Amino acid sequence: NAGVTQTPKFQVLKTGQSMTLQCAQDMNHEYMSWYRQDPGMGLRLIHYSVGAGITDQGEVPNGYNVSRSTTEDFPLRLLSAAPSQTSVYFCASSYQPGSTDTQYFGPGTRLTVL
Amino acid sequence: DQQVKQNSPSLSVQEGRISILNCDYTNSMFDYFLWYKKYPAEGPTFLISISSIKDKNEDGRFTVFLNKSAKHLSLHIVPSQPGDSAVYFCAALYGGATNKLIFGTGTLLAVQP
Repeated sequence: NAGVTQTPKFQVLKTGQSMTLQCAQDMNHEYMSWYRQDPGMGLRLIHYSVGAGITDQGEVPNGYNVSRSTTEDFPLRLLSAAPSQTSVYFCASSYQPGSTDTQYFGPGTRLTVL
Repeated sequence: DQQVKQNSPSLSVQEGRISILNCDYTNSMFDYFLWYKKYPAEGPTFLISISSIKDKNEDGRFTVFLNKSAKHLSLHIVPSQPGDSAVYFCAALYGGATNKLIFGTGTLLAVQP
């Protein structure tokens, strides 16, 4: 199993550009989520999905869109990048949304918006 | 408003000694707590967890203690090893249909050989 994979590892954008951060998992996990990590802020939940076709907002959803057409993939879209979106983005998955279920994180995407 | 706080940004410990990482929370609805470990350029990995109905959970060299009245938990690593050097995140969760982890800001642990 590859676990949770994220592409790209690094990305530089100009303000106003759009892009999609890819996330895939091969563990047949129902629950997937996106976090961003900023200095002094820890990890904050952006969007999450409890299964294919179902998504919901987390703590900091503004400026981001998601969709979940398959169990395996959960892309994160930035429609019009802003410098405030400069961050490290982590995708995570777990078998089912339960408090005792471990979330597995991908290696992260480091995004810089100029 | 930070619901989960790790007030020590960094901690340095000698190899073989005990490392104690602390975490405070404000939301009394949290019913499950987790510790994640993160190496540079990698995603966080799950380390240990504790339910709010317990006050201690142990897994090898790692023990988590929960004091609900003080809204405080701590992670003890005994003995500390250089490979334990990483950022440790405390996270909290409250019940519902989804895993909405609330993370602390992290503590960078450096274990000196």
